[in-house]
Amino acid sequence: GNSVTQMEGPVTLSEEAFLTINCTYTATGYPSLFWYVQYPGEGLQLLLKATKADDKGSNKGFEATYRKETTSFHLEKGSVQVSDSAVYFCALITGGYNKLIFGAGTRLAVHP
Amino acid sequence: DSGVTQTPKHLITATGQRVTLRCSPRSGDLSVYWYQQSLDQGLQFLIQYYNGEERAKGNILERFSAQQFPDLHSELNLSSLELGDSALYFCASSVDFGRPMNTEAFFGQGTRLTVV
Repeated sequence: GNSVTQMEGPVTLSEEAFLTINCTYTATGYPSLFWYVQYPGEGLQLLLKATKADDKGSNKGFEATYRKETTSFHLEKGSVQVSDSAVYFCALITGGYNKLIFGAGTRLAVHP
Repeated sequence: DSGVTQTPKHLITATGQRVTLRCSPRSGDLSVYWYQQSLDQGLQFLIQYYNGEERAKGNILERFSAQQFPDLHSELNLSSLELGDSALYFCASSVDFGRPMNTEAFFGQGTRLTVV
């Protein structure tokens, strides 16, 4: 079946450090891939997306490249800020419906 | 603000009871999705409605049901509640069923259900 696997958290970094959160997927067909972010006490917000192989999604300094050969969509940011502290979810959509299939989420804590 | 409104924000109820969670989608969005977020199961898709009709079902228990009304708001009904039903329930909406690959889902802030 379709699934998403994320690296386990929590990830703890100092401000201005480099961030990578790994995400790999299993899917039939050609999925679209997403990163959602959940700030404390809030719902999920779309951070970035990529709809086909080799696409790069980017937003707010975050980037992720759709790698079909490795079935991966790793999230990166060159210099994290305290305000980036949140839970990050990798997700996919495939097939004829829009239901998102989520990974388990990775909690990021950034310290000054 | 995503434009998706969920009420109530918090709900505390006893085992065996029944509750109704409400979701108003973004203006113009025809699809509504319900998700359950719990510590042990993560984010699980429950059910999707499009323009009043059920379109997809996920890991939704038989004790749970949902519907989407003509004004497009949706309700999730949870009955015979158990302690394990305690979770955050999210509603999301999107504009277009027919273009799945590029459709963004907008999430509400969720309803936190505590069963005691």
